[in-house]
Amino acid sequence: NAGVTQTPKFRVLKTGQSMTLLCAQDMNHEYMYWYRQDPGMGLRLIHYSVGEGTTAKGEVPDGYNVSRLKKQNFLLGLESAAPSQTSVYFCASSSLIQGYGNTIYFGEGSWLTVV
Amino acid sequence: ELKVEQNPLFLSMQEGKNYTIYCNYSTTSDRLYWYRQDPGKSLESLFVLLSNGAVKQEGRLMASLDTKARLSTLHITAAVHDLSATYFCAVSGTYKYIFGTGTRLKVLA
Repeated sequence: NAGVTQTPKFRVLKTGQSMTLLCAQDMNHEYMYWYRQDPGMGLRLIHYSVGEGTTAKGEVPDGYNVSRLKKQNFLLGLESAAPSQTSVYFCASSSLIQGYGNTIYFGEGSWLTVV
Repeated sequence: ELKVEQNPLFLSMQEGKNYTIYCNYSTTSDRLYWYRQDPGKSLESLFVLLSNGAVKQEGRLMASLDTKARLSTLHITAAVHDLSATYFCAVSGTYKYIFGTGTRLKVLA
């Protein structure tokens, strides 16, 4: 099973460039998330989506945009990359099963460096 | 605002010793999760705790939840080198999960 797939896995950007990270899940999950992980900061939620066509801001949304045009895909965009956006980005998905909680499944991560 | 704090941030321990990682959170939630992350890898689910008093065990790891104290613990029994990793707790709010800063565990032979 593919689970949650992120592309690309590695990317180097110059300051001011734009790029899109793609996340795809094949588990028919309603909820999808983008996190960034920085040393000593844990995982911080950037944006999330509770269904196709919906998005919402997380803890650190500035400088990022997202779209969820299809249920299985969640795109994270950087319009004008800054060195502060150098990080590891994780996409995740989950589906609530009432009474059983829900596990969040992570992709393998995307390493982004902005120079 | 939902906040999650873990301590300690770093933990170096000898093989065979016991230790506990603590996870405190700021608002009411009855679902708490523990994850493991190896260097350069993604996060792997360890435990899902769904109610007050819940206790789950897998091998040398045991997790518990006290929703009244807003506290979860991850207890390590007789640590082995293979347990070296970073451990995260997470709490689910409305539709979203907030993670702690992680505890980097190093088990020394």
